[in-house]
Amino acid sequence: GAVVSQHPSRVICKSGTSVKIECRSLDFQATTMFWYRQFPKQSLMLMATSNEGSKATYEQGVEKDKFLINHASLTLSTLTVTSAHPEDSSFYICSAPGGGTDTQYFGPGTRLTVL
Amino acid sequence: DAKTTQPPSMDCAEGRAANLPCNHSTISGNEYVYWYRQIHSQGPQYIIHGLKNNETNEMASLIITEDRKSSTLILPHATLRDTAVYYCIVRFRNFGNEKLTFGTGTRLTIIP
Repeated sequence: GAVVSQHPSRVICKSGTSVKIECRSLDFQATTMFWYRQFPKQSLMLMATSNEGSKATYEQGVEKDKFLINHASLTLSTLTVTSAHPEDSSFYICSAPGGGTDTQYFGPGTRLTVL
Repeated sequence: DAKTTQPPSMDCAEGRAANLPCNHSTISGNEYVYWYRQIHSQGPQYIIHGLKNNETNEMASLIITEDRKSSTLILPHATLRDTAVYYCIVRFRNFGNEKLTFGTGTRLTIIP
């Protein structure tokens, strides 16, 4: 199946700093990518839909100025957590529709810890 | 998308078939049933999907009832590596561009 990568896999930062997470589709192009967040022992919650060449669409309750999304190319979407706080500590996962298929493929996730 | 109901947890002995049920009584005629699983601290993995006919691939089988109000994912010979949270998702088929709404899933534990 299609492969989606994320970088970094794990990041620890100080409160107040910004962190950028990359999501790449390795062997296919994706005009749309999705960003999810998962807190311990909970299910995945969709944060936003990343659209290549246009603004991201955010789910209700997700602050667009805090979680900046840039879909710079057909294979790369980035999520920047600005002015991170300890409550932003979570597992961030991206997904992309597999080129030409009717399913979505997920990245391995990025574990963010804000001290 | 139609809501799904799954048992919160199940155990299965290694080597036996694991049968994971999912209720989706409000499913509409052109909504598909998708199954994903998430092994601890990893991203979800696609398993299988179907509309009305039973489906089988190298990972699992999907049995959908005739009225389509429920389905069962079958892992024929469970191994310890199958321990994961399994999500049943019902959605329209739109070549993957639609967002997925995850429920709470079933935590399957394979017992040696």
